[in-house]
This record gives sequence, C-alpha cells and structure tokens, in this order.
Amino acid sequence: DTGVSQDPRHKITKRGQNVTFRCDPISEHNRLYWYRQTLGQGPEFLTYFQNEAQLEKSRLLSDRFSAERPKGSFSTLEIQRTEQGDSAMYLCASTERGYEQYFGPGTRLTVT
Amino acid sequence: AQSVTQLDSQVPVFEEAPVELRCNYSSSVSVYLFWYVQYPNQGLQLLLKYLSGSTLVKGINGFEAEFNKSQTSFHLRKPSVHISDTAEYFCAVSSPGGGADGLTFGKGTHLIIQP
Repeated sequence: DTGVSQDPRHKITKRGQNVTFRCDPISEHNRLYWYRQTLGQGPEFLTYFQNEAQLEKSRLLSDRFSAERPKGSFSTLEIQRTEQGDSAMYLCASTERGYEQYFGPGTRLTVT
Repeated sequence: AQSVTQLDSQVPVFEEAPVELRCNYSSSVSVYLFWYVQYPNQGLQLLLKYLSGSTLVKGINGFEAEFNKSQTSFHLRKPSVHISDTAEYFCAVSSPGGGADGLTFGKGTHLIIQP
C-alpha cells in the first residue's frame, strides 16, 4: 500500500501526559499537512511542511504542540501536557502538487 | 479569509433516489473547490475537485458537482444513491498555487440512505 499511513490509530492518555503521533506520507510527495478534527466538525488546518521546512502554522497550534519533518519524509506531531480539549482525530495529508491532498486514516486521541 | 458553509448537517434519502448536498463558500480570491467523503473511523477520500475549466465536474462513485461562481456554490449531486453512500461529506476550498494554509472545510453533511 502506497497511501498515507499514521501511527498509532488510537491513543488514550491521561491529562498532563505527552503524546507523539507519526505520519508517513506518499513517498514522492514533498508537501505535508496536519489537521485536527473534533466531533461533528470538519478538519481544521494545523500546520504545513514543504520538504523539511515548516512554512505555516495555524493559531490553533498552541505552544504545547510541536511538529517536525526532519528529513522531508515522515513527520511527527507532539502534544505536551495534554488537556481534555485536545481529544480529537489528528489527520495527516500529503500532496505533490499542492492542491489534491491525500489523507491518512487519522490518529484518534482521547485524553482522560 | 475563506469560509465554507454546508447548509445541511444531515440529509436522509431513500435508496435509489437522487440527492444534492449543498455547499457555499466565501473568499476574496479565486479558489479551488473539493468534495471529500469520510466513512466511520477513516480518513478523507477525495470525491472530486474543481480547479478551472468546465464548471461541471465528475468524480468517483457516480458523484458530480457544479461550480457556480455568481452564487459562490459548489453543490454535490448523485442521480441514484446506494446504501454504501452512507457517510459524512465535506466541502473544502483552498487558495490556488499551493495552499500553504491548507484546506478550509465545512462542517460536513451526514448522508443517510434509507432502504
């Protein structure tokens, strides 16, 4: 399968703990996006990478959130000191041409 | 800033009936338009896109959409739905030329197919 993959698919954590998610984009895609989707809402943009450079960050991305794409391939999204409001589906998407984005299956985070 | 309004949060339709899911957008610049489908506990799958050219766009699974610039709409249609079309449908816009700020999505429309 050459689609976008995300790991883990589900994560349950206690408030205050740190969590890290991984996204592996389609191999030839140099652009990568992270989104957050809460229940009953559409996905909301968090951040954008072109190769290894993080070029755009939403104001939704608080100081507790950090994302990396060290070699321009896979990306990680870390949330420090998780809060219950962080509970959501975190989606990763990649694209080669900048507009037709291919989404991964998402990581569902539950903060208890 | 861009925004997307999906006018119906839920649309119930009988199997084999036609359906239209409505989408309106707001933007001060030209946009690219998309419809995505999301099945339970899965990511989003692209149904179709409008970038330029013909305003009637055909996508996968028998869906089509029509771009209407004067009404800033991009409604999704299917002439005959199946049980398997039950899912959440999202309309989205992006800026042309790369979209560093990502896609802007509507809140989604839950399509419920009744036998």
